[in-house]
Amino acid sequence: GNSVTQMEGPVTLSEEAFLTINCTYTATGYPSLFWYVQYPGEGLQLLLKATKADDKGSNKGFEATYRKETTSFHLEKGSVQVSDSAVYFCALSRSGGGADGLTFGKGTHLIIQP
Amino acid sequence: GAGVSQTPSNKVTEKGKYVELRCDPISGHTALYWYRQSLGQGPEFLIYFQGTGAADDSGLPNDRFFAVRPEGSVSTLKIQRTERGDSAVYLCASSTRDRETQYFGPGTRLLVL
Repeated sequence: GNSVTQMEGPVTLSEEAFLTINCTYTATGYPSLFWYVQYPGEGLQLLLKATKADDKGSNKGFEATYRKETTSFHLEKGSVQVSDSAVYFCALSRSGGGADGLTFGKGTHLIIQP
Repeated sequence: GAGVSQTPSNKVTEKGKYVELRCDPISGHTALYWYRQSLGQGPEFLIYFQGTGAADDSGLPNDRFFAVRPEGSVSTLKIQRTERGDSAVYLCASSTRDRETQYFGPGTRLLVL
């Protein structure tokens, strides 16, 4: 079945550091890929998405590229801020276009220190 | 506009009891999803509605879990004979007909004693 594996946390960085959170997936067909973020005390929010191979999703300075050959969707940001501290979830759609329920990774807790 | 709302925000019950969790999706959203999130884990898909019908209930763990959406808007997740292992945050999400993006509610935290 479908699965998502993402790096374990917590990940602790200093402000303005470069961020990478690794995400790899196993899926049949051609799923869409997502990064969701959960800020402290808030609900899950979509951060970015990509629906086909080589697509790059981007939002709020974060980027991720859908790499079919390596089955990966790593999240990157060039210069993190304290306000980026949150839990980040990589996810894939059970079928194309995000139509059905999503399969999530376990989440990566990111802590940015001033 | 208003987002997805869920009630109650917290529910404490005793083992063996029956509980109902409510989800009010974003107005006009035809698709509705239920997930369960255990501590330290990502959300786990339970069921998906398109309109009034359950299009995919393959994530429901057993027949103690049931969900309805009689008028195609509000949905209720029902859990019979609750067990301690049912303790988790239950999340609801909704999306428009094109189902491109799911918008999540704040969740209901269920604790079974």
